[in-house]
Parts: sequence; C-alpha cells; structure tokens
Amino acid sequence: GQNIDQPTEMTATEGAIVQINCTYQTSGFNGLFWYQQHAGEAPTFLSYNVLDGLEEKGRFSSFLSRSKGYSYLLLKELQMKDSASYLCAALNSNYQLIWGAGTKLIIKP
Amino acid sequence: IAGITQAPTSQILAAGRRMTLRCTQDMRHNAMYWYRQDLGLGLRLIHYSNTAGTTGKGEVPDGYSVSRANTDDFPLTLASAVPSQTSVYFCASSDTDSKTQYFGPGTRLLVL
Repeated sequence: GQNIDQPTEMTATEGAIVQINCTYQTSGFNGLFWYQQHAGEAPTFLSYNVLDGLEEKGRFSSFLSRSKGYSYLLLKELQMKDSASYLCAALNSNYQLIWGAGTKLIIKP
Repeated sequence: IAGITQAPTSQILAAGRRMTLRCTQDMRHNAMYWYRQDLGLGLRLIHYSNTAGTTGKGEVPDGYSVSRANTDDFPLTLASAVPSQTSVYFCASSDTDSKTQYFGPGTRLLVL
C-alpha cells in the first residue's frame, strides 16, 4: 500500500529550530513535497526534493533520503506566523500526490 | 483573476440535492485536481484531469463526477449529496513540467 507518516502535532518556542519528519511508502517515487497550511486556508507550496540531500530556502530547509524513504522539513528562527500545519506529500509513479495527514506546529512565545 | 478561484466559498446542502462546485484557473496549467480534506486525514484525491478533454478517477471518486471542457474550468458535481460528503473541497492545478500543485481557496460544504 501507499502511506505517508508524520507526527500529528509538535510544539516549539519562538526563535528556536524545529524539525518535522516524514516517512513514505509509495508505488514508485518521483519526488517529495512540503506544503504549509494555515487554519482555514489552502495549502501553499514550500519545497520539492527529488534528489538526496538538503535544499535550503531562507529559514526553511528540506532533506530527502530516497534509500530510507525519509524526509524532514527544518524551520529555523521560528516566528509566530509559522504556526500552521505542514503537509508532506510523495509523488508516485503515476505522478499522483499521496498526502500525509499533516503536522500541526504550535509556536509558543 | 490570478491563480485559482473556487465557488461557492461555503454551502449548506440538503441531502439528496445536486450540487456543482466550480473551479477556474488562469495559469494555463494542463493538469487539474479535486481533493477533499477531512479532519485527521490527508488530502484525498477525488478526480483529476491531465489535459482538457480527459479525466480520471482518484482515491475516492464515488458520488462525484467531473468534466474538463476547456483548459481553465474543472467543475465537480455531487449528483445526490449525502452527509458523508461534508468536507472541505480543494481544487488544484499544475503544469506538466514542474508537477507542483497550486491550490484554490477551498469550498466548505455541509450536507444535512
């Protein structure tokens, strides 16, 4: 079967660093996406990894290990506006996205 | 308009009624998608279209139908709504090369 696992909820402190993990099992693999979704809003694209390694984009970085079926999203210098759900999604061999249930990130002052 | 629009923003519907959710994009993307999002579950694909004139079934297609008469529009129809179709519905689009999906603002549907 196809499956994406990520923690349901995480809490972090403003100014700190947090890492959100994601493991995936899909029929074929064509890349791993991370999206941010604020409450009551649509998901918005954060990052895409298809090769192993770390991709850095400002305060956000995303890592992929294809051999381990593993990715993480790293958020640095956390701000209150980073409070949101973070969705992990893997692109399978049919180029369809398989989505995790999302990780709700709570930022405390 | 810029991006993807959806209508209506929200709707309360009596069970058994027919309803069409509208989705329009102006990015000239080939592919379009309909998802539903329920609490505690990931986004689930209902139907998709890789290009105008073609459609395909996703993970949860039962009770829904779609059409893709042109590049811009991708309406989703509930033929006879049931309470289990209460959900938030998102339309998305992507171009052929990047595969990155861009989402509309969503339609919140309550079926009573």
